[in-house]
Amino acid sequence: GAVVSQHPSRVICKSGTSVKIECRSLDFQATTMFWYRQFPKQSLMLMATSNEGSKATYEQGVEKDKFLINHASLTLSTLTVTSAHPEDSSFYICSVPASGGLADTQYFGPGTRLTVL
Amino acid sequence: AQSVAQPEDQVNVAEGNPLTVKCTYSVSGNPYLFWYVQYPNRGLQFLLKYITGDNLVKGSYGFEAEFNKSQTSFHLKKPSALVSDSALYFCAVSPPSGGSYIPTFGRGTSLIVHP
Repeated sequence: GAVVSQHPSRVICKSGTSVKIECRSLDFQATTMFWYRQFPKQSLMLMATSNEGSKATYEQGVEKDKFLINHASLTLSTLTVTSAHPEDSSFYICSVPASGGLADTQYFGPGTRLTVL
Repeated sequence: AQSVAQPEDQVNVAEGNPLTVKCTYSVSGNPYLFWYVQYPNRGLQFLLKYITGDNLVKGSYGFEAEFNKSQTSFHLKKPSALVSDSALYFCAVSPPSGGSYIPTFGRGTSLIVHP
């Protein structure tokens, strides 16, 4: 399957700071990427759809000013958690749809563990 | 709206025994169904998918799943469990049309295989 990387794998930051998480599609170009959030022992919650060259589409209840998404190229999407607070601590995972077509397999990054002190 | 139910939070099975992880879904039209596995502190890995055709789908690591339209189920199975199969398993469904292919995930089932 396709390789998707995330950086960093783990980050600890102080409350009030901003944290940037990168998601890279290493095998193919991706016009679309997805960002998920996962709480311990819970399912993935889709946060937003990252669209190359245009604005991200956020799911209901996700603050777009807090979770900034930039899809600057066909292989890179970034998620910036601005003014992080302890409640933002979570496991953030990105994914790339295999072909960009309808209902296809998702290839997931390894995830980023964010801890806000 | 589409939905996925994984009725069991945890499944326990002895090594060498068959395992089943249950999944039922609700979606308009014919669904695309997926199973993913997640190991601790890792992203999800694709196991198998059903799009069309044979109702029995074979995937990675000896896993298979059977699509049952009348029961709207897509249970994951393996004839002989390994300790290394212990992980979190997610079922997902995507609508087959309408332009939105974003999958909906079940809440996950923790599989524990005992030696």
